[in-house]
Amino acid sequence: GENVEQHPSTLSVQEGDSAVIKCTYSDSASNYFPWYKQELGKRPQLIIDIRSNVGEKKDQRIAVTLNKTAKHFSLHITETQPEDSAVYFCAASKSNYQLIWGAGTKLIIKP
Amino acid sequence: DAGVIQSPRHEVTEMGQEVTLRCKPISGHNSLFWYRQTMMRGLELLIYFNNNVPIDDSGMPEDRFSAKMPNASFSTLKIQPSEPRDSAVYFCASSPGTVDTEAFFGQGTRLTVV
Repeated sequence: GENVEQHPSTLSVQEGDSAVIKCTYSDSASNYFPWYKQELGKRPQLIIDIRSNVGEKKDQRIAVTLNKTAKHFSLHITETQPEDSAVYFCAASKSNYQLIWGAGTKLIIKP
Repeated sequence: DAGVIQSPRHEVTEMGQEVTLRCKPISGHNSLFWYRQTMMRGLELLIYFNNNVPIDDSGMPEDRFSAKMPNASFSTLKIQPSEPRDSAVYFCASSPGTVDTEAFFGQGTRLTVV
């Protein structure tokens, strides 16, 4: 079955710097790759997603890139701010429901 | 829309007791998911309903867990009997049900079994 690995498990960056979180997946049939942000004590919320027919997608300070050949996708956050501190989850799916989740990355923004 | 509504927000119960978690999905969404989140195991899909029908319950840990969706606006997750290792945050999520769509999560129920 599908397996999603996410790295690093913890990432600490200086405020204003960029942060990159990477995920790899095993099933080449996966075609949908969302990223969720979960603030402490709150619910996961979608921040950006990408489909397999697109290589890159941007939304203000966040972007996601997808390399289908290598079966990996990455989340990029530029000009990090304190409110970016959270746990970020990647996921992969090839059907209409079976999201396979990464283990999460705790992002810490240092002032 | 108020989003996905879960109740209770917090539940503390004694080992051996029955626990029922409740979920009201977003109106018009025909897919509903129950997840369990722990530090050790991360986010685990327990069960998925589509149009009120259970499609995949392979994530339900054991027979002590059961889930129902009697109609499009209500679902329950029951644990009977509860055990300390069931302590976790349980999330309900719903989506429009089409391919490649966002899952909207409820605020979760934090369950503590003592």
